[in-house]
Amino acid sequence: DIQMTQSPSSVSASVGDRVIITCRASQDFSGWLSWYQQKPGKAPKLLIYVASTLQTGVPSRFSGSGSGTHFTLTISTLQPEDFATYYCQQADSFPLTFGGGTRVELK
Amino acid sequence: QMQLVESGGDLVKPGGSLRLSCAASGFTFSNYAMAWIRQAPGKGLEWVSYISLGGGTIYYADSVRGRFTISRDNAKRSLYLQMNSLRAEDTAVYYCGRDSQTGDGYTFDYWGQGTLVTVSS
Repeated sequence: DIQMTQSPSSVSASVGDRVIITCRASQDFSGWLSWYQQKPGKAPKLLIYVASTLQTGVPSRFSGSGSGTHFTLTISTLQPEDFATYYCQQADSFPLTFGGGTRVELK
Repeated sequence: QMQLVESGGDLVKPGGSLRLSCAASGFTFSNYAMAWIRQAPGKGLEWVSYISLGGGTIYYADSVRGRFTISRDNAKRSLYLQMNSLRAEDTAVYYCGRDSQTGDGYTFDYWGQGTLVTVSS
């Protein structure tokens, strides 16, 4: 199984800040890596797939990169609506696995 | 408008059974693989099960294999999860998710609002 580890588990930031979230895999894989945003009481929302492809309608301040075992999600200029929890997911093989989540909160 | 609506969540005793449903609308259901993903209270996301377009290929997480059964009825545009021998650790919000079918892995581009399953005596 491919285990996904996110860091940090939480980050305090201000509007306008640049935020970088890291996701590491326990083994090298195809790079089929997705990122989701979840707000309290809501379903997750797909942001990025195949490591760096922005889902339709997602603002361009979100970007993804990486390959092999190391992936990142970057929010270039944090907006008030971006305070949420973010999850990575390896979309390569079963069992599909998620990272533990990164909570982005207001400093 | 694309929509996934889960139902069937309830309070059930350990060892009991429950059947979840997910009704799809706004897209051609039979063209998409589907999955169940759950989230225990205050915890992260856990993939549970996956079913291919026609239902011929199915996967389960180890934590539910042998107890849960995923199925679909394309004529009714519905996805199901039969849950047997429920345990306290199955307590979670259960989401159905649509596989984006981009051909680049198993990514879920639409999710339902979730249905809560509570297993407690």
